[in-house]
Amino acid sequence: QVQLQESGPGLVKPSETLSLTCSVSGDSISGYYWTWIRQAPGKGLEWIGNVYHSGHTNCNPSLKSRVTISVDTSKNQFSLHLTAVTAADTAVYYCARDRPFRDAPFDHWGQGALVTVSS
Amino acid sequence: SSELTQDPVVSVALGQTVNITCQGDSLRSNLASWYQQKSGQAPVLVIYGKNVRPSMIPDRFSGSSSGDTSSLTITGAQAEDEADYYCNSRGTGGNHVEFFGGGTKLTVL
Repeated sequence: QVQLQESGPGLVKPSETLSLTCSVSGDSISGYYWTWIRQAPGKGLEWIGNVYHSGHTNCNPSLKSRVTISVDTSKNQFSLHLTAVTAADTAVYYCARDRPFRDAPFDHWGQGALVTVSS
Repeated sequence: SSELTQDPVVSVALGQTVNITCQGDSLRSNLASWYQQKSGQAPVLVIYGKNVRPSMIPDRFSGSSSGDTSSLTITGAQAEDEADYYCNSRGTGGNHVEFFGGGTKLTVL
């Protein structure tokens, strides 16, 4: 059974960098896209971007200038870095698995990590 | 446009059938996936592709599509189906960018 677990600081100061890691267990990280999705309090889901096991990434154009997503296949982990955060970046951040074929769904999700941006 | 539009609120009487719709240009060339999210929990995949259900999802959930609209149907809604439902698909551009609908809050009366 594939399991994903987000980890990282729950509180980040404005203008600083939000960093989260997703640890994958139960399957190899190879052969999939690995995705970050967030949900602001009381709001809907927002796709942030993904990384393939090769390191190739895709990002939401609205966040592209601030987002870096990377993968560490040796640790079966992938990471999100979001720079210059503001209160608008306060959200639950989910990691999820996506398959490399057309119309593939996000079939496994982490439980989510709440990150609050506040001084 | 890659925007996906959902009705914010839908209600259904216990045991009745409900359709939750998702509309957008990207759905003319991409199939939607549907996720159920209960309060305080992570989303769960319920339908994807051409009406494919993951193994743990009850068969009262089904999906369909026509033109620019995808639909999630719950036949014989149960109290435990009360949740937020989100559709998702890739955008219409050649790059790999994903979009979610705004979500539909389903109330079971």
